[in-house]
Amino acid sequence: KNEVEQSPQNLTAQEGEFITINCSYSVGISALHWLQQHPGGGIVSLFMLSSGKKKHGRLIATINIQEKHSSLHITASHPRDSAVYICAVRGGGSNYKLTFGKGTLLTVNP
Amino acid sequence: EAGVAQSPRYKIIEKRQSVAFWCNPISGHATLYWYQQILGQGPKLLIQFQNNGVVDDSQLPKDRFSAERLKGVDSTLKIQPAKLEDSAVYLCASSTAGLAPSEQYFGPGTRLTVT
Repeated sequence: KNEVEQSPQNLTAQEGEFITINCSYSVGISALHWLQQHPGGGIVSLFMLSSGKKKHGRLIATINIQEKHSSLHITASHPRDSAVYICAVRGGGSNYKLTFGKGTLLTVNP
Repeated sequence: EAGVAQSPRYKIIEKRQSVAFWCNPISGHATLYWYQQILGQGPKLLIQFQNNGVVDDSQLPKDRFSAERLKGVDSTLKIQPAKLEDSAVYLCASSTAGLAPSEQYFGPGTRLTVT
């Protein structure tokens, strides 16, 4: 079982819809990252959070440390949001490595 | 601020050949990472440098992979000899610190195809 599980694996939405991508993890962490990867492109960091909620434009990330769960929300989705969204967790204590989920492929149709 | 640079962007080689990838991190970033991302999977850490020292290379297949960061800035990752299963995107990332949570900045990656 992967330490970081994302759902859904694939998501297709219509432009304007509200999107939620979920991430669950099984280990103690010091931080959780949400990353965006466009086809053929590199990875862009969207958020790094260790508690609560962060907002940037139409993107919102939340984390519940007790439940070991995080969500990434996209409001008013747009075709340019189409990408793979990856959740990664950084271990606690001396375990500083990032462990990545497999990613969620989001396709937003016009 | 310039981002993480990688070259080449694409490489096609035959199995048993050797290949090298280059990474130039963001200026001032002490920590450099090499990841392997196989199609359909999340990135997997191969090696992490703090300045020019290796912090973690536990998942680096040392019989065929090697990496160095001689002056604590640029880094090269080499595969010799390559196998079919090495086909992947090789991502370089850098960050300001290794022990405290910090954002990692990724390069565009090198897509390697081994035939």
